[in-house]
Amino acid sequence: QSVLTQPPSVSAAPGQKVTISCSGSSSNIGNNYVSWYQQLPGTAPKLLIYDNNKRPSGIPDRFSGSKSGTSATLGITGLQTGDEADYYCGTWDSSLSAFYVFGTGTKVTVL
Amino acid sequence: EVQLVESGGVVVQPGGSLRLSCAASGFTFDDYTMHWVRQAPGKGLEWVSLISWDGGSTYYADSVKGRFTISRDNSKNSLYLQMNSLRTEDTALYYCAKAVAGQLGVYYFDYWGQGTLVTVSS
Repeated sequence: QSVLTQPPSVSAAPGQKVTISCSGSSSNIGNNYVSWYQQLPGTAPKLLIYDNNKRPSGIPDRFSGSKSGTSATLGITGLQTGDEADYYCGTWDSSLSAFYVFGTGTKVTVL
Repeated sequence: EVQLVESGGVVVQPGGSLRLSCAASGFTFDDYTMHWVRQAPGKGLEWVSLISWDGGSTYYADSVKGRFTISRDNSKNSLYLQMNSLRTEDTALYYCAKAVAGQLGVYYFDYWGQGTLVTVSS
């Protein structure tokens, strides 16, 4: 039972843009930095964004992250068929139940 | 090249025990905090546990607290997860993940293994 809420799915045509929201609270997103992970079918998660908006080397600038208050957003522009995957946000949580929490996950479909 | 290779996943009966291992290479293992993250079939990611670089600090999700124990052997570049009193709801793919402390010391996971499957079933 994740404490970070994401939309179950988003979709768009190739070349278009999608945004994925991640909604939390003051015990997690509101006072911490957010990272985003991409999980292609049948593979392990891969880091896309860290510290809210930084990209590791090798991640194209089509992927972007932002945070405002208790919500974070992942944006993907110039959508490609290879972007079809599940996407998860994650951050620390200061509650007693878990040290780290992930979002519920969002399936991106390229139409 | 950073590599994390998990092993030890099998089919086990409810109430049973299991120890998972994660062999690390390509980085200075004892410089980093390590985590276990699991994913039930068809479900999302769930953080399980972390251990500090020297093994001195450990944390667990409520769902596994008192049943799972994380440990490491820096001389062998290895991470472990001892799982006791297993339940059907522990069935999942278990990933080990290397953690980096970002801003404000908030961790993010820059490398993940391919996972090892634990199935708890009678």
